[in-house]
Amino acid sequence: GESVGLHLPTLSVQEGDNSIINCAYSNSASDYFIWYKQESGKGPQFIIDIRSNMDKRQGQRVTVLLNKTVKHLSLQIAATQPGDSAVYFCAENTDNQGGKLIFGQGTELSVKP
Amino acid sequence: DGGITQSPKYLFRKEGQNVTLSCEQNLNHDAMYWYRQDPGQGLRLIYYSQIVNDFQKGDIAEGYSVSREKKESFPLTVTSAQKNPTAFYLCAAAALDGEKLFFGSGTQLSVL
Repeated sequence: GESVGLHLPTLSVQEGDNSIINCAYSNSASDYFIWYKQESGKGPQFIIDIRSNMDKRQGQRVTVLLNKTVKHLSLQIAATQPGDSAVYFCAENTDNQGGKLIFGQGTELSVKP
Repeated sequence: DGGITQSPKYLFRKEGQNVTLSCEQNLNHDAMYWYRQDPGQGLRLIYYSQIVNDFQKGDIAEGYSVSREKKESFPLTVTSAQKNPTAFYLCAAAALDGEKLFFGSGTQLSVL
C-alpha cells in the first residue's frame, strides 16, 4: 500500500524574529552534538557543534545550548531570514554506538516575510 | 557540497533490478557513510566504512550492499531484495568516525 510520510514538527516565525529549535536527545552518555540544516532536495549542511564539556557555543547568528541534566539541546537563530527556512536536525554521538551519529526526526522552520 | 559528489541525482529502478548509487569524495576523509531518508523523517544509517576494504552494517542494511575499494569511493547497491527502495539517499564523509559529517547532494531513487 501507499506509505504516508510523518508530519515534521513545524516552527513558524516572522522575518527578523529570533527562532529557537529544540531537541531532546536519548542517551545521557552522548558526548558530542551537532546541528544540521537541510533545504528541500539537498543534503544536510553543518551549522554548529558542541561537546558535552560545554553548555553553550556561539556561531554567526546561531547559538547552541546544551542542558545535560534534562538531555536537551537547542538551536537559537538570531534575526531569522527567509533563507533560514529549512528542516533542522540535531544529532548525537554516543560512544557505545560505535561512534556513529544518531539523528533526530527534524523540525521544519518556516519564515514569514 | 563539501567535496562529496553523488550521482545520479535521480534514479529509477525496475522491479527485480539492482541499481548502484555513486559516491565520491575529495576530502581525504577515512570514514564514509550511507543514509536513507524517507519523507518527513530523519536519517537512518545503512552502511558505514572507517577504512578502505572494511565496512559495517548500520541500522537498516538489509537489501543493500557496499564496497570500499578506494578511499575516495563508497558505492551503494540497492538490490532486488530491498522491497521498498523509494527514498532519498545521502552519502557522507568524516575525518573522524562519529564527528562532523559532510554530506553529498543526495540521490532520489524511485521505483517504476
